[in-house]
Order: sequence, then C-alpha cells, then structure tokens
Amino acid sequence: ETVMTQSPATLSVSPGERATLSCRASQTVNNYLAWYQQKPGQAPRLLIYDASTRATGIPARFSGSGSGTEFTLTISSLQSEDSAVYYCQQYNNWPPYTFGQGTKLEIK
Amino acid sequence: QITLKESGPTLVKPTQTLTLTCTLSGFSLSTSGVAVGWIRQTPGKALECLALIYWDEDKRYNPSLESRLTITKDTSKNQVVLTMTNMDPVDTATYYCVHLMTTKNHYDYWGQGTLVSVSS
Repeated sequence: ETVMTQSPATLSVSPGERATLSCRASQTVNNYLAWYQQKPGQAPRLLIYDASTRATGIPARFSGSGSGTEFTLTISSLQSEDSAVYYCQQYNNWPPYTFGQGTKLEIK
Repeated sequence: QITLKESGPTLVKPTQTLTLTCTLSGFSLSTSGVAVGWIRQTPGKALECLALIYWDEDKRYNPSLESRLTITKDTSKNQVVLTMTNMDPVDTATYYCVHLMTTKNHYDYWGQGTLVSVSS
C-alpha cells in the first residue's frame, strides 16, 4: 500500500498571504495525485488532479506541483473561505488508492 | 449535472450486515469509462477507499476489507449497492459514494455522505 504523508498537520496563515501544503508518497505515484478540500459538514471537493490541473470552477489561486513522490498545493492570496482541511490522494497504485491524513488550514 | 446520493441505515448493531445504496443522477454506469466507488471517513477524519465498480462489471476491493465487502450495480435503477458484513464499532464512519472516469481515476464528484454508527 502506498502511504501518503502530509505536512504540516495544521497551518495558520493570515488573509492575503500564501499557504504551502506538502504531500509525500512512500513510492512513486507518477503524477497521479489529487488534492481535495473539505469544509465542516461537507463532502470533500476536488481541487487539483494529475498533480497540477485545476478542476472545473476552482479559482486560479489554487495551484499544484510535483511528481513522483513529492507534491505541493499552493494557495496564493488566502481568503477566509479557504479555511478547511486539505487532503492529497494518489490514484496510481491500487490496491487501494490512498489518502493523506490531511492538513488543517486556519486563517488568522 | 452529475449527482450521487447515499442512503441506508444510520445505526446498525455489531455483527449485522450493512447495506448502502448510491443513487446516481446525470450519468449512467453503463457508459464506457465510468466507475463508481465507496469511500468512508472515520470520526478521526481519515479517508479510506473501500470498493470500485466499473461500467463493464469489473470490481476492485480494498484488500484489508475485501472478505467483508460486496459492490454491485443495477443499471436499470441507476444505483450502486455496497454491502459490508460483520459490522463492528470501528466501522462507524461517514460513507460516501463517488464518481470517477477510468481515464483519470480521481474522484470528481462526491455524494453528501451518510453517517453510519455501529452500536448495540
């Protein structure tokens, strides 16, 4: 099983600043990496797929990068509505497709 | 517009079998390249992929739970059903169904989720 490790566990950033979230895979996932945003009481929402492609309707302030085993989600110019838990997921190696444990993003 | 909606019991007793139904809208699981999966999220917020079923009847299961899981589809009803046997309190979680395309394999649409508690 491919283990996904996210860091940091919690991140506190001021509005208008940039947030950088990391995700590491225990073995290569090529670029088959997605990022999801989850707000309290809601289902996760797809933000980024194939490591760097924004999903439909996702603002340009969200960007993804990386390949192989190291990935980054960057949120530029943070807004209050970006407060959420962010998960990475690999879909290169089954079984099964695995998620990271999440990074909680707090807006100061 | 693609939507998915989960339904099933909110409470089951230990050792019972859980049956969850996902009703699909805006797409058909008979269309080539389409798949539906089940994901669960524990109270501690960890996400776990349980099973996938493809348009061509292919199925995939999480090996850690495979002996307890069965996923089926009813194309005429546009539904996907997941059964999980021998439920335990550690299976308490929110269960989501998801849509994916086999050309991509990421989960682009999610249902709202249904919370299932396991308790006597």
